[in-house]
This record gives sequence, structure tokens and C-alpha cells, in this order.
Amino acid sequence: QKEVEQDPGPLSVPEGAIVSLNCTYSNSAFQYFMWYRQYSRKGPELLMYTYSSGNKEDGRFTAQVDKSSKYISLFIRDSQPSDSATYLCAMSADRTTDSWGKLQFGAGTQVVVTP
Amino acid sequence: DVKVTQSSRYLVKRTGEKVFLECVQDMDHENMFWYRQDPGLGLRLIYFSYDVKMKEKGDIPEGYSVSREKKERFSLILESASTNQTSMYLCASRLGGEVRPYEQYFGPGTRLTVT
Repeated sequence: QKEVEQDPGPLSVPEGAIVSLNCTYSNSAFQYFMWYRQYSRKGPELLMYTYSSGNKEDGRFTAQVDKSSKYISLFIRDSQPSDSATYLCAMSADRTTDSWGKLQFGAGTQVVVTP
Repeated sequence: DVKVTQSSRYLVKRTGEKVFLECVQDMDHENMFWYRQDPGLGLRLIYFSYDVKMKEKGDIPEGYSVSREKKERFSLILESASTNQTSMYLCASRLGGEVRPYEQYFGPGTRLTVT
């Protein structure tokens, strides 16, 4: 079983809709929870991160972490065609572990926002 | 802006050839990483390097080796390329230490095809 599970999609939504993405994980040592965005023919870039549980908002983007359920989510409000990309969740344990500084990625979900 | 560059965007090699993939970062980052990205599997860590001349195996090191002789350059070597190494290869770097452990900067990727 993979440490991080993410539905690869594709997920197609009309412009203006809310995009909902999620990942589940099995390693309870994960403390950092990230969302990376990858446009076609580009490398991933960090979109948002959350430390431990809770919500974080940045403009149209909201990240949520529920450590009790080992479940994280990313919501994109008022989606735009420019949001069309692959969204990868990533997780990392804290500095007390052997895996400090390394990221575990989900498979990535391809999102297509149609005008 | 951090810039991570990779020597080739596309590469076609024959089975059994020795293949070198080069990665250069320009921000004096201590940590560098090599991943491969395959559909449905996400990014999987091949090797990483905490500092010059230091390397550690990632999750899928078999069939690969690495070299880091200078801080800015991290090379991935396929000793004898095989068709199951056909993939997208992504290089990444991170500042190092306890600073922003969640943030890695990625290059654009090299799509390697082994025939």
C-alpha cells in the first residue's frame, strides 16, 4: 500500500465551479502537508503548505488537514481555465525522523477547467 | 528566483547505453533530489544528496547512481539503460537544514525514452 493515495482523475469542471481535491495517507509521522501544482511540460511548484492540522486560506485556495482521519483537501473557488493543471499532494515527517527533508507525493490529480 | 535547469528536455537512448542526466541549481541550495514521474504513480524519489559528495538512496534506487562533485550540480546516471526506465525525470533542490522543509524547487524535467 502506498503511503499517500490520490485519485489521478481527470477532474473536469466548468469555469466558476469549486474544485475539490483530496488525499489520504497512512503514515502518522507526517507533519507537513503540501499541495504542488504542475502545469503541462513544467516541473511542480509549491502552491500551499500546512503544518499539522487545520485550515489555511490563500486567495481562492483553501487547504485543510484532518490528522485524525489522515485526510487532506484542497479547494479552489471560482475556478479559472488557468487553474487547469495537475495537483499533487505531498507530505513530510518532522526533523526527528529519518525521512526529514524528504517528501512523499501522491499520484497527482489532473484538473481541467472548461470555459 | 530559484532556477533549476536540466540538461535535456527530451532524450532517446538505446537499451544498454550509459545515460547521464544533469541538473544545475543557481541558489546555493544544500539539498538536491532526483525523482521519476510515471502516470498513476506520482513522483518517486530515486536518490538525494544533503551536501557535496553526500548521497542517500531514495525509494527506487535500483539501476541508478548519482554524483555530486559540486554544490550546484547533481547528476543521475543510468549505468545500463533498460526500457522500464523510460520515464519523466525531475530534479529538485531545497535550501537545507530546518528552513522551509516543505519547499522543493523543480526543474522542467527530462523525458527519457529507452528503446
